[in-house]
Amino acid sequence: QPQLQESGPGLVKPSETLSVTCSVSGDSISTNYYWGWLRQPPGKGLEWIASIHHSQSKVYSPSLKSRVTISVDTSKNQFSLKLSSVTAADTAVFYCARHDLHHFDYWGQGSLVIVSS
Amino acid sequence: QSALTQPPSASGSPGQSVTISCTGTSSDVGGYNYVSWYQCHPGKAPKLIIYEVTKRPSGVTDRFSGSKSGNTASLTVSGLQAEDEAVYHCSSYGGNSNLVFGGGTKLTVL
Repeated sequence: QPQLQESGPGLVKPSETLSVTCSVSGDSISTNYYWGWLRQPPGKGLEWIASIHHSQSKVYSPSLKSRVTISVDTSKNQFSLKLSSVTAADTAVFYCARHDLHHFDYWGQGSLVIVSS
Repeated sequence: QSALTQPPSASGSPGQSVTISCTGTSSDVGGYNYVSWYQCHPGKAPKLIIYEVTKRPSGVTDRFSGSKSGNTASLTVSGLQAEDEAVYHCSSYGGNSNLVFGGGTKLTVL
């Protein structure tokens, strides 16, 4: 079964671009699954952001699509998320997960990213 | 504001059963049999416990069960144990490749 580990900057300034990366071990990212990003703002529920297949097929949450870039690096068995023009409302724990059809079956432990000047 | 509505809290004594609801619309919960539930303990990776309304992944105890009626899905935890104390999140496919979540329910074992 795959293990996923997020890595992120911890702190990002307003209006800048937030970048987080997910390293996958125990499974190849080139299998027939999508790999997704989700977030959970403090005190709020989970929110799906976007998912990507190793073939470069991508799906996005309609509410975030305009600010999101998702990419995959099969040589490193990693996938990444960029979220542009961040504000304090983007402060959240960011999770990566394996996306199996319409659910997420393996998750990372999460990476807290705070947006603050 | 989350797309799906969950009660913020639920509680029960050890050995009892507790049911957590997840209410959406005919465009998500009511329209598809793609409701999933996740168990979240602080500082740990969320865990999938129910998918496609009623299915349990391998290794998940049968004390967790899922159901759906109309636009409302439910998670029932039977034979409550201290380790079940966690936050439970529901999710549903919402059409057009979209996935929506509830706000989470904190389950307290008294």
